Amino acid sequence: DAGVIQSPRHEVTEMGQEVTLRCKPISGHNSLFWYRQTMMRGLELLIYFNNNVPIDDSGMPEDRFSAKMPNASFSTLKIQPSEPRDSAVYFCASSFQGANVLTFGAGSRLTVL
Amino acid sequence: SQQGEEDPQALSIQEGENATMNCSYKTSINNLQWYRQNSGRGLVHLILIRSNEREKHSGRLRVTLDTSKKSSSLLITASRAADTASYFCATDAKNLTSYGKLTFGQGTILTVHP
Repeated sequence: DAGVIQSPRHEVTEMGQEVTLRCKPISGHNSLFWYRQTMMRGLELLIYFNNNVPIDDSGMPEDRFSAKMPNASFSTLKIQPSEPRDSAVYFCASSFQGANVLTFGAGSRLTVL
Repeated sequence: SQQGEEDPQALSIQEGENATMNCSYKTSINNLQWYRQNSGRGLVHLILIRSNEREKHSGRLRVTLDTSKKSSSLLITASRAADTASYFCATDAKNLTSYGKLTFGQGTILTVHP
């Protein structure tokens, strides 16, 4: 298994642009999580899905952020419009429900100028 | 303060020494996990300890859990330079509305000098 696959690995964009981050979870995992990591705030859970359904999006900072999981093998996290304070590393992780052990992707490092 | 806070924030030791990191949390939990993150990489799961367990071993790792004090410790024995990384504890709160939701602490940065 190739693990959790995230793209892009690095993204540099200008304030106001739309950013889309992508994630392919491990086949057979039915829970998917989006985390954001910054020096100031550490690792924050943004949203998680169970069986493609959003369960808890209380960590999504504002309406500029949205996430979808159209099927079991793909999820997106979109920021529109992006702002410099959104600069962070965004991690996707998946797990098999009940195990709660997360497998993380390598992350997408976002820089908003 | 956050669920799952590690102590110390940074730890610097020599190869061969043991490294101990602590984690405190606030709410009742189903389990507590430890993860490792190398610089520029994603987190990697190390070990999980359930709320009804007190100690668990995996190779050079030893984890303890004290639910009465809401604390856990991670001991790495005979450390190696390759153990240099950040270590995070994560808690799975005993709350039906947060099933499967892991909350991470701020992490301990461990540096092992050769």
